[in-house]
Amino acid sequence: GNSVTQMEGPVTLSEEAFLTINCTYTATGYPSLFWYVQYPGEGLQLLLKATKADDKGSNKGFEATYRKETTSFHLEKGSVQVSDSAVYFCALSDWWGQFYFGTGTSLTVIP
Amino acid sequence: EAEVAQSPRYKITEKSQAVAFWCDPISGHATLYWYRQILGQGPELLVQFQDESVVDDSQLPKDRFSAERLKGVDSTLKIQPAELGDSAMYLCASSRPSEDRGFIEQFFGPGTRLTVL
Repeated sequence: GNSVTQMEGPVTLSEEAFLTINCTYTATGYPSLFWYVQYPGEGLQLLLKATKADDKGSNKGFEATYRKETTSFHLEKGSVQVSDSAVYFCALSDWWGQFYFGTGTSLTVIP
Repeated sequence: EAEVAQSPRYKITEKSQAVAFWCDPISGHATLYWYRQILGQGPELLVQFQDESVVDDSQLPKDRFSAERLKGVDSTLKIQPAELGDSAMYLCASSRPSEDRGFIEQFFGPGTRLTVL
């Protein structure tokens, strides 16, 4: 079956530090991959996506590359800000539009 | 920008009571999802609708949970009776196919935070 495994948190970084949150997946077929962000008390917001192997999704300084050979979709940002503090979810969707989410990684950025 | 609407945002109830949540998806989105998110975990799909039909409700506890989308637009999720373990965030999402083949774009509402005492 389909599943997503992501790095457990919480992660605490100083402002301007480099961020990596690991995500690996198991899927049949050719899933689309996503990173969502959730701020306290809110729903999930799409951060970035990649729909096929070797695609790089990017948004607001965050990047992730769809690696089929390693079944990974790691999230990176070169210089985090306090406003990036949130919970990040890796997810995949299958051909039928069903989504599978990781357990989330909480990020806290301190000034 | 169009958004998925949910109400109420917060609900406190006592166990064995009935609760209901409402969701209005983005106009034109045929697919609607209800998720349960327990604190510290990722969303878990409860039910998925395509228009007014249920596509997947395999994880819906049908002895106490029910969901409907009668006219294929807005939807209601009900719990009767509520139990302590039902305390969670209930998220609604809707989706549309994107212009890219195979990419489904999903939009989430703000959620309903349920506390069962």
